[in-house]
Amino acid sequence: EVQLVQSGGGLVQPGGSLRLSCSVSGFTFTLHEMNWVRQAPGKGLEWVANIGTSGNIVYYANSVRGRFTISRDNAKDSLYLRMDSLRPDDTAVYFCAREGISGRGFDYWGQGALVTVS
Amino acid sequence: SYVLTQPPSVSVAPGQTARITCGGNDIGRKNVHWNQQRPGQAPLLVVYDDSARPSGIPDRFSGSNSGNTATLTITRVEAGDEADYYCQVWDSGSDQPWVFGGGTKLTVL
Repeated sequence: EVQLVQSGGGLVQPGGSLRLSCSVSGFTFTLHEMNWVRQAPGKGLEWVANIGTSGNIVYYANSVRGRFTISRDNAKDSLYLRMDSLRPDDTAVYFCAREGISGRGFDYWGQGALVTVS
Repeated sequence: SYVLTQPPSVSVAPGQTARITCGGNDIGRKNVHWNQQRPGQAPLLVVYDDSARPSGIPDRFSGSNSGNTATLTITRVEAGDEADYYCQVWDSGSDQPWVFGGGTKLTVL
């Protein structure tokens, strides 16, 4: 069974840092690109970052570029999001998501982790 | 960056057909994916590559894509289909390649 289990959310002051983790199981991690998506309270989905299978190609939304860093440890089947210089408008539920083979959408999602910047 | 436009809300009676649109410049040239999100839950992929269904998604869910509009169609709508629906595309060549639409709230009357 495919599982994406997130950890690391919480309350942080503006300007602070936080690291989110997403531990996966049930599939070959190295075959899939991975993503982070967030959802501010009462708002829609916002894509945040993408990382290639080997970790050497990354993309970021303009809203987080230069402040957030996506990474992965293929030996540990884990995905990470390091968030620095956090702002109140970064407050959201953050989801990790597996990208389907050949970019066929996000076929599995983590349970979400709430990050509150206040 | 690429923009996807969805109506904020769609309402339909049980048993009827719901159609949710997703507009974008020449979207017919892109692969469109649709996600369902019930309150308090993570999103769920219901259609990928315009019209394909993941395993376990009922055939009441279907999709189409042409020109400047993609459409998610839900036939024989049930109360459990009430949710937010988001379209999604990969905008190749962009430095922000994944794009979501603003979402459509489906209300089952």
